[in-house]
Amino acid sequence: GENVEQHPSTLSVQEGDSAVIKCTYSDSASNYFPWYKQELGKRPQLIIDIRSNVGEKKDQRIAVTLNKTAKHFSLHITETQPEDSAVYFCAAVSGTYKYIFGTGTRLKVLA
Amino acid sequence: DAGVIQSPRHEVTEMGQEVTLRCKPISGHDYLFWYRQTMMRGLELLIYFNNNVPIDDSGMPEDRFSAKMPNASFSTLKIQPSEPRDSAVYFCASSSSYVFGGGGYNEQFFGPGTRLTVL
Repeated sequence: GENVEQHPSTLSVQEGDSAVIKCTYSDSASNYFPWYKQELGKRPQLIIDIRSNVGEKKDQRIAVTLNKTAKHFSLHITETQPEDSAVYFCAAVSGTYKYIFGTGTRLKVLA
Repeated sequence: DAGVIQSPRHEVTEMGQEVTLRCKPISGHDYLFWYRQTMMRGLELLIYFNNNVPIDDSGMPEDRFSAKMPNASFSTLKIQPSEPRDSAVYFCASSSSYVFGGGGYNEQFFGPGTRLTVL
């Protein structure tokens, strides 16, 4: 069945450094790739998304890249801050709007 | 708008009891999703609806789970009988296909979740 692999499962970075989270999907029909951030005890919230007709998208310190040939997409956070500490989920969505989430990456930004 | 509303926020029950979780999506949204979140399995899609019709329930773990959406503003997820392994946080989310000129590839708004503990 459809599957999304996400790495790493945990990531610790020093404040100000960059963080990169990578996802690989299996369903070649996937054409929408959102990223959600979940703070401790809170609900997941969308932080950025990318559609399959775009290779890269940037929003301030956050960027997402997509390689449809390799079925890879990545989240890049630059100049990390303590408030970036959270669990990040990637997802791949196909034409049936079925969301398949990755297993999550726990990011810790060390002050 | 109050966002997606879920009730109860916390539920503690004993094995074998029936559990009903409730969700009110954002007004005007035509998609509704039920997820289960655990440490071991992450965020799993259980079922989703479009215009109150179930589209894909392949994520429902077994016949003990059922979901309904009798109208555009209300959905339930029922577990009968409940088991300890059902303990998890259950999220409801809704989205609109009418943003950006159509299509379903739009932001899902999650509710606060229901933390279920089955003893």
